[in-house]
Order: sequence, then C-alpha cells, then structure tokens
Amino acid sequence: LAKTTQPISMDSYEGQEVNITCSHNNIATNDYITWYQQFPSQGPRFIIQGYKTKVTNEVASLFIPADRKSSTLSLPRVSLSDTAVYYCLVAPFSGGYNKLIFGAGTRLAVHP
Amino acid sequence: DAGVTQSPTHLIKTRGQHVTLRCSPISGHKSVSWYQQVLGQGPQFIFQYYEKEERGRGNFPDRFSARQFPNYSSELNVNALLLGDSALYLCASSPDTGTTNEKLFFGSGTQLSVL
Repeated sequence: LAKTTQPISMDSYEGQEVNITCSHNNIATNDYITWYQQFPSQGPRFIIQGYKTKVTNEVASLFIPADRKSSTLSLPRVSLSDTAVYYCLVAPFSGGYNKLIFGAGTRLAVHP
Repeated sequence: DAGVTQSPTHLIKTRGQHVTLRCSPISGHKSVSWYQQVLGQGPQFIFQYYEKEERGRGNFPDRFSARQFPNYSSELNVNALLLGDSALYLCASSPDTGTTNEKLFFGSGTQLSVL
C-alpha cells in the first residue's frame, strides 16, 4: 500500500492561494490520487482525483509531476470557509476498500 | 436529492453494551462502506457491502459486524463495547463502478461515546 505524507497543519489568509503537498514515494502504476475535505462534525467530502499531470475542477486543482511521487492540491483564493482538514489518498483502481488509507490529514486554518 | 443519512447522530453507551448504527445511502447507490474516526485521525475502513454481500473488511475485531438490506441501507453493530470504541462512525455510499477509488459520499456520522 502506498503511504502518504502530508504536513500536519498549515495557516493562510483570506484571498491567498494555498498549496498542500502530499508525498507518496512508493505509488504504484495503477494507483490514483484522491483528495477529500472534512469539516468538524461532518464526513469527508470528495474534492478532486487524478492520475497524472493536472486536473482542475470548480473547487481546486491537482498537480501531479511526471514521476507521480508527490502531488499538490491547490486552492485558489481561500476563504474562512475553507478551514478544514484535507486528506490525500492513494489507492489502486481495484483491490478493495481496505486499500483506502486516510492519514491524519492536513489541518488548514484560514485567517481573516 | 437527499445525501447519506445516518442515525442516531449521537449515542452514549456503557462498557459491555451493544450498539446498532444505521445508514441510508444516496438513492441509486448500491455500495455502502463504514469507517471509524478517532479524534485527531483520519477515517479507518471497517466494512464494505454491495448487494447485501460483504465485499471487504478492515482490521477490526469480530465484535464489529454489519449487514446491508435489499433497499441498500445498512447497519453497523458493535458488541461488548470498549472505551476505545468511542469515535465518530461514518458511512459512505457510492454508485459502485467496481473500482476502489470511486468517489465516496459520506454522511455526517454517529458520534459514539462509551463510558
């Protein structure tokens, strides 16, 4: 199973761009990278998923370099409501949900 | 459309008791999975069910069991509760495309406190 490493916490200010990097050195060929967001007293919410290069949706962008040993979640112009825990997951295309490993995540605090 | 609903939202039990947690998936979703989230940590996979069959099980003792009903709702049962079972229990549903990394839709969870 590919293990992920993320910063424990980050601080930012409203209106800034936030980049959260996840390290996954032993990612396998058929692994995908997925990010979830979790607010207090709520379940995680899917943000974005990618396999290589760059993926963008209405919420965030995901940058994956050619070697795929890391990935960066980019949140443009954050607001106070982006304060949450962000989880990076690396999981294969198939093989069972026991391969979905949520680490401790990155606690992002956005300040006024 | 309603999201994933879980009941109850909060529960207080004492050691040795039994608890049943319930989950209703998003309409049309056939796969339900359960997770335990201890304070300060990420969710940990417990079970996945699809079409009433257990498809996967995490590293949890046999005190934990689950089942899925014909309407795709699910129950998680925990017997002989321990203090360490205190956690947020999350249910997630998915359309079940047969892949491990499909998008999961989580409920808000049941906060279980064992005294």
